[in-house]
Amino acid sequence: QKEVEQNSGPLSVPEGAIASLNCTYSDRGSQSFFWYRQYSGKSPELIMSIYSNGDKEDGRFTAQLNKASQYVSLLIRDSQPSDSATYLCAVSAAGNMLTFGGGTRLMVKP
Amino acid sequence: GAGVSQSPRYKVAKRGQDVALRCDPISGHVSLFWYQQALGQGPEFLTYFQNEAQLDKSGLPSDRFFAERPEGSVSTLKIQRTQQEDSAVYLCASSSPSSSYEQYFGPGTRLTVT
Repeated sequence: QKEVEQNSGPLSVPEGAIASLNCTYSDRGSQSFFWYRQYSGKSPELIMSIYSNGDKEDGRFTAQLNKASQYVSLLIRDSQPSDSATYLCAVSAAGNMLTFGGGTRLMVKP
Repeated sequence: GAGVSQSPRYKVAKRGQDVALRCDPISGHVSLFWYQQALGQGPEFLTYFQNEAQLDKSGLPSDRFFAERPEGSVSTLKIQRTQQEDSAVYLCASSSPSSSYEQYFGPGTRLTVT
């Protein structure tokens, strides 16, 4: 049973819309939560990290964490075609290995 | 500053050959991780070093896989007697307590076993 679950998509949104990506995890001991963006043929690039319940905003990106529901989400405002990529959710105990979901493919249509 | 580097970027091996993949982490990063990513899937953990100590190798799929980091910086992942199922992208990541253990990935090595 996969410990981190994501909808594989593709999630298709029009340019300028808000893209909402979701992730659930099973290990209640998880302490650190990350979103990576991966373009086709490239390696994962860290875009957001979140460690406590609530929202964390960085530019057009907002990460949301709800530990009681074991739920992490990523919102991308004003989506651009360049945001089209696979978004990987990853969780870990502090300083330890990352457990990844399978990724959600996002397509932003001009 | 320089990011994580990996070499070679691409490797084609005949079944049964041994391969060695190199990772050079971000300078000063004490933690180094190896992951394997199959096509269309998320990365899967292989092994983890803190300085030169290998603290977790639970993800290594078989005893044909071996990793080392003898001086606490550069690491090598070795795969002996490669099999077709070893074909994947091998990713290296490094992290530091000073950066809240955020892991930064290298470009990966794409291994194809024919």
